[in-house]
Amino acid sequence: DAKTTQPPSMDCAEGRAANLPCNHSTISGNEYVYWYRQIHSQGPQYIIHGLKNNETNEMASLIITEDRKSSTLILPHATLRDTAVYYCIVKKTSYDKVIFGPGTSLSVIP
Amino acid sequence: GAVVSQHPSRVICKSGTSVKIECRSLDFQATTMFWYRQFPKQSLMLMATSNEGSKATYEQGVEKDKFLINHASLTLSTLTVTSAHPEDSSFYICSAYKQGAGGAVDTQYFGPGTRLTVL
Repeated sequence: DAKTTQPPSMDCAEGRAANLPCNHSTISGNEYVYWYRQIHSQGPQYIIHGLKNNETNEMASLIITEDRKSSTLILPHATLRDTAVYYCIVKKTSYDKVIFGPGTSLSVIP
Repeated sequence: GAVVSQHPSRVICKSGTSVKIECRSLDFQATTMFWYRQFPKQSLMLMATSNEGSKATYEQGVEKDKFLINHASLTLSTLTVTSAHPEDSSFYICSAYKQGAGGAVDTQYFGPGTRLTVL
């Protein structure tokens, strides 16, 4: 599976949009971009995934560049409960094993 | 959404004893489950892939005789830490793959984790 690169940490003001970037320049044509998050001392939570089109659900939006070498997870109105480590993962299918990198630690500040 | 449970949520044991952790998919059947370990301030590390009715596949460097995995049914996988030592103290997390139906997204769901402390 392709490797991803994320900033180690980010801050975001409560109520503002949180934009979390991810680079995956070696992604192959049949690999999806998945995002998970882990709130402290809990199991990871699935957020969203996409192949090449932008995706939106009740939690977030996923913007994938046209060349698919990078993507951005957008939390439109961040709350304190969104403080977590966010993981960007690239893999072929949903039943492939998830290999976690260090992720981005997002702190939402009041 | 789908729910994956783990039991126990916390366990403290003496060095040399064995500890069993259960992972259940509560509202779906999971032919494949995964076991992870997480040390403080580190990311999750995949330990093994658990397949219903067959032997688990272990990641490189994970001792299969120490971490016994059994996936005897479509809703239950167990991880047994044998002869536990203090360095086995960690946060153990399982995940289960749920196949989407009726247009729903295929995805993996994670359990809440089990905190193991070995004295």
